[in-house]
Amino acid sequence: NAGVTQTPKFQVLKTGQSMTLQCAQDMNHEYMSWYRQDPGMGLRLIHYSVGAGITDQGEVPNGYNVSRSTTEDFPLRLLSAAPSQTSVYFCASRTTGANTEAFFGQGTRLTVV
Amino acid sequence: AQKITQTQPGMFVQEKEAVTLDCTYDTSDQSYGLFWYKQPSSGEMIFLIYQGSYDEQNATEGRYSLNFQKARKSANLVISASQLGDSAMYFCAMRPPGGGTASKLTFGTGTRLQVTL
Repeated sequence: NAGVTQTPKFQVLKTGQSMTLQCAQDMNHEYMSWYRQDPGMGLRLIHYSVGAGITDQGEVPNGYNVSRSTTEDFPLRLLSAAPSQTSVYFCASRTTGANTEAFFGQGTRLTVV
Repeated sequence: AQKITQTQPGMFVQEKEAVTLDCTYDTSDQSYGLFWYKQPSSGEMIFLIYQGSYDEQNATEGRYSLNFQKARKSANLVISASQLGDSAMYFCAMRPPGGGTASKLTFGTGTRLQVTL
């Protein structure tokens, strides 16, 4: 009963490095999203997808890329890491329906030095 | 644009007492969904309760209830009979109507609840 799985749980990057945060869900959910959580600011939407092959930008998309080649996976790519991207990243998924809640992964704590 | 406001950065409540966490929202949509999530110190996000904008009755889930006042644009979370395990950060969130924006949850800044003996 895995739900939403994020890897890695912790990561330290040097400024300018690139990396991919992985997100996988086994609930056959159509909708998937990436959020970042910063102190005092709640969670903010980075990118989202309403199905395989379809992605769109959220509130804070700059510096991040996504793709959705399968229903299960929704990786988030940091192209050139910056200290401002130090944050906790959450992946979420949900099924269709107006009243369905989002299921969140455990989060990835990323530090860019 | 949607906005969620949680004006209580921190709250204290004694064990077994009830507590209300405030949430106000701003939207021009007629149809929307309101959610509350709990984030314990371990970091995961746990769904608590949902209220649809057209739901006539306030939502309840066990010890959690949502005091929904549509005209005032408020969706306060009420926790009855608080337990030590309720100590956590609580987030109010809103989602617009379906379609392409269906994944776009807008979160408030959260309220940190501390339950004391």
